Amino acid sequence: DVVLTQTPPTLSATIGQSVSISCRSSQSLLHSNGNTYLNWLLQRPGQPPQLLIYLVSRLESGVPNRFSGSGSGTDFTLKISGVEAEDLGVYYCVQSTHAPNTFGAGTKLELK
Amino acid sequence: EVLLQQSGAELVRPGSSVKISCKASGYTFTDYYMHWVKQRPEQGLVWIGRINPANGNTVYAEKFKSKATLTADKSSNTAYMQLSSLTSEDTATYFCTRSLAVWGQGVMVTVSS
Repeated sequence: DVVLTQTPPTLSATIGQSVSISCRSSQSLLHSNGNTYLNWLLQRPGQPPQLLIYLVSRLESGVPNRFSGSGSGTDFTLKISGVEAEDLGVYYCVQSTHAPNTFGAGTKLELK
Repeated sequence: EVLLQQSGAELVRPGSSVKISCKASGYTFTDYYMHWVKQRPEQGLVWIGRINPANGNTVYAEKFKSKATLTADKSSNTAYMQLSSLTSEDTATYFCTRSLAVWGQGVMVTVSS
């Protein structure tokens, strides 16, 4: 199975600070059809996960543009340009290029 | 609006089975895979498997092949997951999700005697 390694496990930020989360894959997530199926999710406390970014860098409808995704192959990054209070929670990367789908362990974003 | 409405919380006995549901609305049910995801208390997300509602084809993660059974009823736009031979390790919240993009609210399953 593909292993997704997220760093850091915990991130402390102040409101307005920009932060990045890394997701590294044990193998390339480039599918034979040319797409890279790497998504980013946010799970707020007590809530189901919410899709933020799909196909590495595409912003899901309704998600603020302070969120952005980048990367290719095995290295991916989620950036939040100016953290707001509503961004607190656990961020997960998830891949669906290779079966079975696998999730990263999560990065908890908390207020400093 | 695309919605996935899951059934209510379950308290079940060790060794028993439970079947939870996920009713889809706001889109064509057969156009998207339905996935199921497990989350133990204070833990991360684990993919269980997925079903193609159009034809019933399923794919499971290896560790859930003898634990979970996924089905779908096209007539009621509802996906189901049955969990068997329940143990305390199965105590968790279970989510259905359309293609990992739209998520149900989750069902808490507690296994206790």
